[in-house]
Amino acid sequence: GAVVSQHPSRVICKSGTSVKIECRSLDFQATTMFWYRQFPKQSLMLMATSNEGSKATYEQGVEKDKFLINHASLTLSTLTVTSAHPEDSSFYICSARVWLAGVDNEQFFGPGTRLTVL
Amino acid sequence: AQSVTQLGSHVSVSEGALVLLRCNYSSSVPPYLFWYVQYPNQGLQLLLKYTSAATLVKGINGFEAEFKKSETSFHLTKPSAHMSDAAEYFCAAGSGNTGKLIFGQGTTLQVKP
Repeated sequence: GAVVSQHPSRVICKSGTSVKIECRSLDFQATTMFWYRQFPKQSLMLMATSNEGSKATYEQGVEKDKFLINHASLTLSTLTVTSAHPEDSSFYICSARVWLAGVDNEQFFGPGTRLTVL
Repeated sequence: AQSVTQLGSHVSVSEGALVLLRCNYSSSVPPYLFWYVQYPNQGLQLLLKYTSAATLVKGINGFEAEFKKSETSFHLTKPSAHMSDAAEYFCAAGSGNTGKLIFGQGTTLQVKP
């Protein structure tokens, strides 16, 4: 099946620093990638939709200037948490999708990145 | 707006017992429906998906789900629980060309020996 990787798997940083998380589709080209965050014991919350070569579409309530998303190629999307604060500590998960007309909306998920901001 | 509701945030069964995890969706148009499993500190793994081809969908690890339009439900079942099934389970619905998935709240499955 399709494989999606994330790097790093775990990161600890000081408050005020920026952190970049990479999401890669390893064996397919992803026209769309999605970024989620998940708080402990909670469901996934969609943050933004990233289409290759265009600006990301952010969900309501998500600060686009704080969570910078770049989807420079069909196999790589990055999420940068700028000026991170302790409340940004969370589990960030990306997913990738190949859009084909008439095909279901299956997404392939990465293993997640645990961000801890001290 | 579309929504997904999972009844029961926590389900506990004995090893070997039937597993039933409930999911209801709210949509005027039957969506694509998915069940995912998540183990601690890991991403989501697809168990099965409904894409209108068949109402009874068989997935991995012995799980299956039945799409019932009249009940707007897509409950997940497994005849006999294993200890390794203990995890978090998410039901999700997707529709349209956006590719977005709407997730339910999740159900923690506990399997007792």
